[in-house]
Amino acid sequence: DGGITQSPKYLFRKEGQNVTLSCEQNLNHDAMYWYRQDPGQGLRLIYYSQIVNDFQKGDIAEGYSVSREKKESFPLTVTSAQKNPTAFYLCASRQGASYNEQFFGPGTRLTVL
Amino acid sequence: RKEVEQDPGPFNVPEGATVAFNCTYSNSASQSFFWYRQDCRKEPKLLMSVYSSGNEDGRFTAQLNRASQYISLLIRDSKLSDSATYLCVVPGGSYIPTFGRGTSLIVHP
Repeated sequence: DGGITQSPKYLFRKEGQNVTLSCEQNLNHDAMYWYRQDPGQGLRLIYYSQIVNDFQKGDIAEGYSVSREKKESFPLTVTSAQKNPTAFYLCASRQGASYNEQFFGPGTRLTVL
Repeated sequence: RKEVEQDPGPFNVPEGATVAFNCTYSNSASQSFFWYRQDCRKEPKLLMSVYSSGNEDGRFTAQLNRASQYISLLIRDSKLSDSATYLCVVPGGSYIPTFGRGTSLIVHP
């Protein structure tokens, strides 16, 4: 089955630690996205990548970093510089053009202790 | 004006009711629009795409009004299982999808 996987589903982190969230897709999609969702809020874009080895900052990139070394993978690192990292993180992918839908992974719920 | 605006609700309706949500957008160049459904603590899933004037799929109808820059979602004969948050998505700058904050729907017996 084609789809997007994210791991882990739940993640606990101590303040001051970096943590990396995994996102893998086997849909052969070019574009991948990371969003953050806080309770009662919409999705806010952290980073996106439209092609391998290239990525751009979204609206709230500060305190986050990404890489896109392979088409299938787009890991997100939450660094200690992110002041309020507790949130629900969603990864999505899309094939090319803007008229195509995005497909989402099941999300990772990060809690900073 | 925010790029995408939705009434957060909640809309609290009885089973069998008809309910409509609106979503306004600011980017007049937008060509394709989407409605996603998101259940509590789950990922969003595509409900409908809207490319021209509208789209219909069973009990769900989406309409696009380019002149007034809004899209609507109409749900007829509401079911308990329709309870969820409905997210409007509009292409923003560089065709990056921009999400509204969502409209919460609660269908009660």
